[in-house]
Amino acid sequence: AQKVTQAQTEISVVEKEDVTLDCVYETRDTTYYLFWYKQPPSGELVFLIRRNSFDEQNEISGRYSWNFQKSTSSFNFTITASQVVDSAVYFCALSEGMGDKLIFGTGTRLQVFP
Amino acid sequence: DAGVIQSPRHEVTEMGQEVTLRCKPISGHDYLFWYRQTMMRGLELLIYFNNNVPIDDSGMPEDRFSAKMPNASFSTLKIQPSEPRDSAVYFCASRTTGGDTEAFFGQGTRLTVV
Repeated sequence: AQKVTQAQTEISVVEKEDVTLDCVYETRDTTYYLFWYKQPPSGELVFLIRRNSFDEQNEISGRYSWNFQKSTSSFNFTITASQVVDSAVYFCALSEGMGDKLIFGTGTRLQVFP
Repeated sequence: DAGVIQSPRHEVTEMGQEVTLRCKPISGHDYLFWYRQTMMRGLELLIYFNNNVPIDDSGMPEDRFSAKMPNASFSTLKIQPSEPRDSAVYFCASRTTGGDTEAFFGQGTRLTVV
């Protein structure tokens, strides 16, 4: 069965600090997809990134970077030089196979203080 | 496209009343998901449809909950009778076939049962 664990319930940092959000997943499939979503205080869910199980290449997008390691079943998300606008709940999610159900972790609430 | 549209945005009802939440997915998307978000349990998948057919309803909490998708452009989630513990934000999401496609979320319906 698929499962996503985000052990960090809440993280607080001061602006300009780097912060890493952890995501550990469980799946029996060899083909699967991982996602990160952001939920700002306004409540909508915003897609950030997806990764498939065959692509372990890390990705960087501006201040955001993602580290995918199959050996540890982890897909961690780092924000460099955090800003107040990064304050949100961040969700990691997993989808197995060809578009099957999308399961979310419980989320990590990030608070960035000025 | 206007995105996934949910109605109503807010619903306050008395315990014991029937509640119906509505969702219009993005045109062309063949998967539709209903999620419930609470502080305690995060984002729980309740049920999902593929081509209007329910695939997995194992997340539906109990018989008081039911969901339908009569056509490709409309789905409902009904709670009858409602209870205070059903208070949550309910999200609808849709995606196309292919595990590497992200799900697009509606704005959510905030349900309060008093």
